Amino acid sequence: DVQLVESGGGLVQPGGSLRLSCAGTGFNLSRYWMHWVRQGPGKGLEWVSRINGEGNVTTYAGSLKGRLSISRDNTKNTLYLQMFGLKVEDTGVYYCTRGAGGYFYGWGQGTLVTVSS
Amino acid sequence: EIVLTQSPDTLSLSPGERAALSCRASQSVSSSYLAWYQQQPGQPPRLLIFGASNRATGIPDKFNGTGSGIDFTLTISGLEPEDFAVYYCQQYASSPYTFGQGTKLEIK
Repeated sequence: DVQLVESGGGLVQPGGSLRLSCAGTGFNLSRYWMHWVRQGPGKGLEWVSRINGEGNVTTYAGSLKGRLSISRDNTKNTLYLQMFGLKVEDTGVYYCTRGAGGYFYGWGQGTLVTVSS
Repeated sequence: EIVLTQSPDTLSLSPGERAALSCRASQSVSSSYLAWYQQQPGQPPRLLIFGASNRATGIPDKFNGTGSGIDFTLTISGLEPEDFAVYYCQQYASSPYTFGQGTKLEIK
């Protein structure tokens, strides 16, 4: 059974950093593009970043470029998102999701990031 | 960046009725690279439709996606209590991938 489990969220002060993890089970994560999608409180979905199966091609949403680093460790079947210079507006639930030609098939339950002083 | 605008923001219908949700793109979505998701409160989104009209595995045929170019529609027939949720369209024709703002389907 395909499963994605995010972790690493929490409360962080503005300007702080956080690393999110997403562990995949039931499938070989290295075969897929993987993505992060976030959702602000009471808001819609926003695509954040993607990484190819080998981990050598990455893309970021324009508004977040320079403050994010997506990576993966295929030996651990795990995806990461390192976030820097966090802002209050970065608050939300961060989902990892498996890409399938650009749409998203298989989502984790999400991890909550709260940026507040 | 392709902007997706969904309408209406909220749709109030009764169980058994048919819902039609619209998604309009700011520019043509090539190859109909358009997906639809359903999100229940407190849950991650669930893929319903990809390629504008292809149902994902396990999605019943009451969910039907149509459209091309800039206009897309998700139709849900015979509404059941579990269908009342928020629905999002998403384009994957070009990066950055973008979502519509969502349509909330609520019980009338």
